Amino acid sequence: DAGVIQSPRHEVTEMGQEVTLRCKPISGHDYLFWYRQTMMRGLELLIYFNNNVPIDDSGMPEDRFSAKMPNASFSTLKIQPSEPRDSAVYFCASSPARISTNEKLFFGSGTQLSVL
Amino acid sequence: QKEVEQNSGPLSVPEGAIASLNCTYSDRGSQSFFWYRQYSGKSPELIMFIYSNGDKEDGRFTAQLNKASQYVSLLIRDSQPSDSATYLCAVNRRQLTFGGGTRVLVKP
Repeated sequence: DAGVIQSPRHEVTEMGQEVTLRCKPISGHDYLFWYRQTMMRGLELLIYFNNNVPIDDSGMPEDRFSAKMPNASFSTLKIQPSEPRDSAVYFCASSPARISTNEKLFFGSGTQLSVL
Repeated sequence: QKEVEQNSGPLSVPEGAIASLNCTYSDRGSQSFFWYRQYSGKSPELIMFIYSNGDKEDGRFTAQLNKASQYVSLLIRDSQPSDSATYLCAVNRRQLTFGGGTRVLVKP
């Protein structure tokens, strides 16, 4: 398997523009997670899905953020409108089952987002 | 108080020495504990997990858990320059929560 695939790797946009980040999880993984990483706040969970259904979106910072998972092989994280404070690395991760003692997260390569 | 706390470092360690990393967590109901390694510009990768009090060894890595003290540690024996990275402690309750990470520098 190719692993978790994220696109784009880098995104530079201007404040106010819409940004869409994409993720393809590992085939057969039932859980998909979106994380954001910054120097100040570290790695934060934004939202996660189980079998394409959003389970916990309490980490989504504002209504400007939305995430969808229309099918088992694709998810998007959208920011509209984007702001400079959204600049971060956004990671998508998948897992075959609920995180427990021996299940691990498989991370994608991340999307480096810069909002000017 | 942050849910998972780590010293940000950098922790500077001579090659061949033992690197000792610490992590404390606030939720006593936490079930399992993970250590991820993240190289600069890369994504995190799992290196160890532990869920019972005591020590767990895997190669040069040893994870230690003390639930009474809400404390998890990672020891890296015979540190190598390739161990230079940020080490993230993660704690699982209802979801996986990460600490801010400890940057480790192993000097030849």
